[in-house]
Amino acid sequence: GQQVMQIPQYQHVQEGEDFTTYCNSSTTLSNIQWYKQRPGGHPVFLIQLVKSGEVKKQKRLTFQFGEAKKNSSLHITATQTTDVGTYFCAANDYKLSFGAGTTVTVRA
Amino acid sequence: NAGVTQTPKFQVLKTGQSMTLQCAQDMNHEYMSWYRQDPGMGLRLIHYSVGAGITDQGEVPNGYNVSRSTTEDFPLRLLSAAPSQTSVYFCASSYSGGTGTYEQYFGPGTRLTVT
Repeated sequence: GQQVMQIPQYQHVQEGEDFTTYCNSSTTLSNIQWYKQRPGGHPVFLIQLVKSGEVKKQKRLTFQFGEAKKNSSLHITATQTTDVGTYFCAANDYKLSFGAGTTVTVRA
Repeated sequence: NAGVTQTPKFQVLKTGQSMTLQCAQDMNHEYMSWYRQDPGMGLRLIHYSVGAGITDQGEVPNGYNVSRSTTEDFPLRLLSAAPSQTSVYFCASSYSGGTGTYEQYFGPGTRLTVT
């Protein structure tokens, strides 16, 4: 199936700092979704990007879809302890192919 | 709405035993899926369904069966449990809504250990 690769696997962030996680595919994607999973919880939908070059913001989170629709990024500004968890990108509509995720820890 | 519910929350099986993981949704979603989550590997699709009576294989279907007799229920059957099936299992449902957005709603998961 369609494969999406995520980097980095782990991100240790000082509270208040910014960070970015990246999602890459070898094939063109029709759309990409992002999910967040808190420790011990289940994945929760954050957003879907569809258009080439699309940028969407949710408060401190900025999501971007690449011009070639082969990559995406999630940028978090002024990291807070509530941002702890694993962030996944996923492709392929209702039968999703997930990246391995970026696990974020925050140092207070 | 209860959303997506899964039972049991935890299960321990011996190698060779069979069991069924239950999944139900009350949102009238057309699509339902089963994923397994293993450390460092994200979620991998086991089976999915696009509507009652229609199922198809995902990325890792071997050792699992599914059926979808109603819109609401999508049980996952382990035929003969193996230690390699130790994992956390998530059921999810989604709908297209005509917008092309297939936001998936996940259940709380079943943590399965096979000894």
